[in-house]
Amino acid sequence: GQSLEQPSEVTAVEGAIVQINCTYQTSGFYGLSWYQQHDGGAPTFLSYNALDGLEETGRFSSFLSRSDSYGYLLLQELQMKDSASYFCAVGRGSTLGRLYFGRGTQLTVWP
Amino acid sequence: DVKVTQSSRYLVKRTGEKVFLECVQDMDHENMFWYRQDPGLGLRLIYFSYDVKMKEKGDIPEGYSVSREKKERFSLILESASTNQTSMYLCASAPTGLDTEAFFGQGTRLTVV
Repeated sequence: GQSLEQPSEVTAVEGAIVQINCTYQTSGFYGLSWYQQHDGGAPTFLSYNALDGLEETGRFSSFLSRSDSYGYLLLQELQMKDSASYFCAVGRGSTLGRLYFGRGTQLTVWP
Repeated sequence: DVKVTQSSRYLVKRTGEKVFLECVQDMDHENMFWYRQDPGLGLRLIYFSYDVKMKEKGDIPEGYSVSREKKERFSLILESASTNQTSMYLCASAPTGLDTEAFFGQGTRLTVV
């Protein structure tokens, strides 16, 4: 089966840096993805790590350590609009794989 | 832009009714998914389809069935709706390949009374 653990809530102030951790237990690992969901909105893709290391996309970076079954999403220069839920997900939407999500981390950014 | 469209944004149904949730994608994706989202539980996979007429159960298939007669359309069916199926239902689609991302519809908030 699949199991993903991430903190339920994180708070930070504008301009700060925040890290959201995700640990997973899964068979048939295809990679770790991150999605953002604003209240009332659909989840949207942020990043994907198939291999160990850091992937950077603007203010957001994602890290994966396959040997530790661990990853994190790093958000820098936080803005109010970053207040949202963030989900880690195992696998990708491929023919061979399914997409399993963690329970989500609610990030609140204060002014 | 990829578009995933769910037929209804809000739906209210009575206990015991048969309920159809429709999802259509316009990017010729092979893979389609149905999730339900509940507070504190995240997104849980109900069913997954990787081709027309092909489907696989997810984590919580009980009380649900699916239909994929055409590539662009993936339907979720609640055979006999119950109050514990009150939830937000999200459809997603994705192309084949490991280096892909899933695209979500806006969701259907279903209330069973």
